[in-house]
Amino acid sequence: GAGVSQSPRYKVAKRGQDVALRCDPISGHVSLFWYQQALGQGPEFLTYFQNEAQLDKSGLPSDRFFAERPEGSVSTLKIQRTQQEDSAVYLCASSPLPGRFIEAFFGQGTRLTVV
Amino acid sequence: KNQVEQSPQSLIILEGKNCTLQCNYTVSPFSNLRWYKQDTGRGPVSLTIMTFSENTKSNGRYTATLDADTKQSSLHITASQLSDSASYICVVSADNAGNMLTFGGGTRLMVKP
Repeated sequence: GAGVSQSPRYKVAKRGQDVALRCDPISGHVSLFWYQQALGQGPEFLTYFQNEAQLDKSGLPSDRFFAERPEGSVSTLKIQRTQQEDSAVYLCASSPLPGRFIEAFFGQGTRLTVV
Repeated sequence: KNQVEQSPQSLIILEGKNCTLQCNYTVSPFSNLRWYKQDTGRGPVSLTIMTFSENTKSNGRYTATLDADTKQSSLHITASQLSDSASYICVVSADNAGNMLTFGGGTRLMVKP
């Protein structure tokens, strides 16, 4: 596709349920970033991939959060045993340059609501 | 702690009017500053990227200024349109990596007819 695609657009999960959020980056983009955006706030960094390697996961808030990009393209952000504080928009961004955000493009995000 | 403060938090203007959004930052070291437009339910879209040596950069009706000495930036929107209604987010980068970005909380702009 022409842009970064995220699915689903909206997800409602019961507390304690596991969820998986998908990001399809722009074809050929080396870098992939995940961000968490709480209502009315700016995005907060979660994790960064260069190809299939997860080079930085310092922003993941707990060990319930797990991200992978096994073939260096599509990425999945998994949240286990969801809690209400996990409710947020999860944004994915990709960039053609390794380690550089300067040319990154964002997807439209997945809005997760934990009830 | 690196911080980016934006003002006002929200703004309502009439179509056709101009407005200026402010961004103050304490990020150090400084690599670049970006302004993003985020429509409701969409991801942020980059409007301008400014480095240390750039004072002014325009993108159509959007003009960003940067004063690296006072660590302030502004985004001026000329002849506003209804489609300008969105959140405008100021992002300061300590380097060019995506994990070194500090996002402001955004200014929510509403343009009314």
